[in-house]
Amino acid sequence: SYELTQPPSVSVSPGQTASISCSGEKLGHKYASWYQQKPGQSPVLVIYQDDKRPSGIPERFSGSNSGNTATLTISGTQAMDEADYYCQAWDSSTVVFGGGTKLTVL
Amino acid sequence: QVQLQESGPGLVKPSQTLSLTCTVSGASVSSGGYYWSWIRQHPGKGLEWIGYMYYSGSTNYSPSLQSRLSISVDTSKNQFSLKLSSVTAADTAVYYCARLSRVAGTETSYYFDYWGQGTLVTVSS
Repeated sequence: SYELTQPPSVSVSPGQTASISCSGEKLGHKYASWYQQKPGQSPVLVIYQDDKRPSGIPERFSGSNSGNTATLTISGTQAMDEADYYCQAWDSSTVVFGGGTKLTVL
Repeated sequence: QVQLQESGPGLVKPSQTLSLTCTVSGASVSSGGYYWSWIRQHPGKGLEWIGYMYYSGSTNYSPSLQSRLSISVDTSKNQFSLKLSSVTAADTAVYYCARLSRVAGTETSYYFDYWGQGTLVTVSS
């Protein structure tokens, strides 16, 4: 079965750029989506189709996908961006999630 | 505004069947283009896709749960449901219902655009 791998944790200073990776075999041939989940809340879609932002998502969130890696980038990271982030892809008519990355803003 | 709301027992005994319902408002489960889905999250862990149902009635389930799982839809109530049989403590989790959408013109760009608030189901005697 298809697998997506994320680093367990990423740390960033306020105002700096955070990058969260998601790796999978030939992931660049698929489309990646990203979700933000804060404690006690449901996940929120922040990026879909590799690099599209849903309405209401700040411009500091961006995405890319090439080769075997998709990347979520948060520019000018704010304290409110501290959360868990999950990548997701579609493979053989099934949904696959990455294991999640805890973003710490300190 | 699309909204999804899970409902069902918060406590299920081992070996019994876990049953949850998701009530949808602001959209129709009979509409094409959307896959009505269930996802769960074990305490302190990541997201696990459970399965989905398409408006046509076709389903697709996680291979790890397929033998115990059933997802159905009630169009008259605009709801879809999850049944997971022979549960154990390992099925204790927050269960989310969500809408899976496909980007028009693509065959592989799918994403969850609306989620329910989640409901904690504990399996314990």
